[in-house]
Amino acid sequence: NAGVMQNPRHLVRRRGQEARLRCSPMKGHSHVYWYRQLPEEGLKFMVYLQKENIIDESGMPKERFSAEFPKEGPSILRIQQVVRGDSAAYFCASSPATVGRGTEAFFGQGTRLTVV
Amino acid sequence: ILNVEQSPQSLHVQEGDSTNFTCSFPSSNFYALHWYRWETAKSPEALFVMTLNGDEKKKGRISATLNTKEGYSYLYIKGSQPEDSATYLCAFLSPTSGTYKYIFGTGTRLKVLA
Repeated sequence: NAGVMQNPRHLVRRRGQEARLRCSPMKGHSHVYWYRQLPEEGLKFMVYLQKENIIDESGMPKERFSAEFPKEGPSILRIQQVVRGDSAAYFCASSPATVGRGTEAFFGQGTRLTVV
Repeated sequence: ILNVEQSPQSLHVQEGDSTNFTCSFPSSNFYALHWYRWETAKSPEALFVMTLNGDEKKKGRISATLNTKEGYSYLYIKGSQPEDSATYLCAFLSPTSGTYKYIFGTGTRLKVLA
């Protein structure tokens, strides 16, 4: 049973380009969470999705950022017109149900985005 | 804005020393707290799920306690080994839209010196 797979592991984009980050959750997991880690900072919540639904996007910038988790295929975090401040590590986690008293999330290894 | 704080930010200990660090969280509307261990170049891995006031969980040399009334959890490592070197994260479960999401502390970076 493969873990949470994120790709690419490293992504370099020029300012103004689009970045697409993919997350394939563990088999059987229908809940996906995206977190961003800025240099010298902790994991900041961005968005929580279930299949075809955005549950909570309160941590995601209103402009240029979007996320989806379609019925088939991976979850995608899309950043349009990237700027230098978007450079960070982006982590995806999945769980079979909402995280809670009996359920923890499983993390991918992250995508390190560098905007040049 | 929910504040989950961890202290210290980083810690160096000698092999064999015991150590502990703290996670502070809002004490009202507590639901659960998770501890994660994050080694460099790997992904965070769940260590403990803490749910009840007074909970004490143990895994080998690592244990954790929970005080929901005052809003803190301690993680203890007995007889630290170099392989314990990692960042230890606590994740507070915050309600959202009838479900929950993690709010993470900034982590405690532990380095165990051989």
